[in-house]
Amino acid sequence: DAGVIQSPRHEVTEMGQEVTLRCKPISGHDYLFWYRQTMMRGLELLIYFNNNVPIDDSGMPEDRFSAKMPNASFSTLKIQPSEPRDSAVYFCASSPGTGEPDTGELFFGEGSRLTVL
Amino acid sequence: AQSVTQLGSHVSVSEGALVLLRCNYSSSVPPYLFWYVQYPNQGLQLLLKYTSAATLVKGINGFEAEFKKSETSFHLTKPSAHMSDAAEYFCAVSAPRGANQGGKLIFGQGTELSVKP
Repeated sequence: DAGVIQSPRHEVTEMGQEVTLRCKPISGHDYLFWYRQTMMRGLELLIYFNNNVPIDDSGMPEDRFSAKMPNASFSTLKIQPSEPRDSAVYFCASSPGTGEPDTGELFFGEGSRLTVL
Repeated sequence: AQSVTQLGSHVSVSEGALVLLRCNYSSSVPPYLFWYVQYPNQGLQLLLKYTSAATLVKGINGFEAEFKKSETSFHLTKPSAHMSDAAEYFCAVSAPRGANQGGKLIFGQGTELSVKP
């Protein structure tokens, strides 16, 4: 089975530009999470979805960040306008939402490394 | 609410020596506990998980962890370090989905393991 697929793997952009990161979760997984990883702050949960519906977006840093999940197989994280402090690795992860027990185990993508100049 | 503390942001061992990475957790309900490993420029992958079936959990690559409720600990060990074990290791806790903040993994800050030849 294919794992979580993220694109692009690397993105370099200039301050003020729009950035769109994409994620395809594992088929059949009901939950999708977006994380950001930096040296200073470690792994931060930005937002997560259940059955395509945003459940908790309290980790989204500010209005410049938005995330959507139009269907069960696709999600985007958008930053507009981007700033140098947004430079980080962004991870998408999915979770089955089933199992006995349902532990919330996450399956991660390879990440998208964003550099904003 | 759940939380995780990893003691030591950097651990260095010699090849062949014992690896011990420390993790303490806090949880208001019986927890699920995880160790993930992240190799450079990759996503996180599951090493092992505790789901209350057995207190000593064996994972991939010779790693194991023991759940100690009295000490609220879930330390990761490996009897003999290999150069290929050099990576960052994350401890995480979750609660059953019906619980407060359930179904969401809470990660520690990570411990970087270096292995000297």
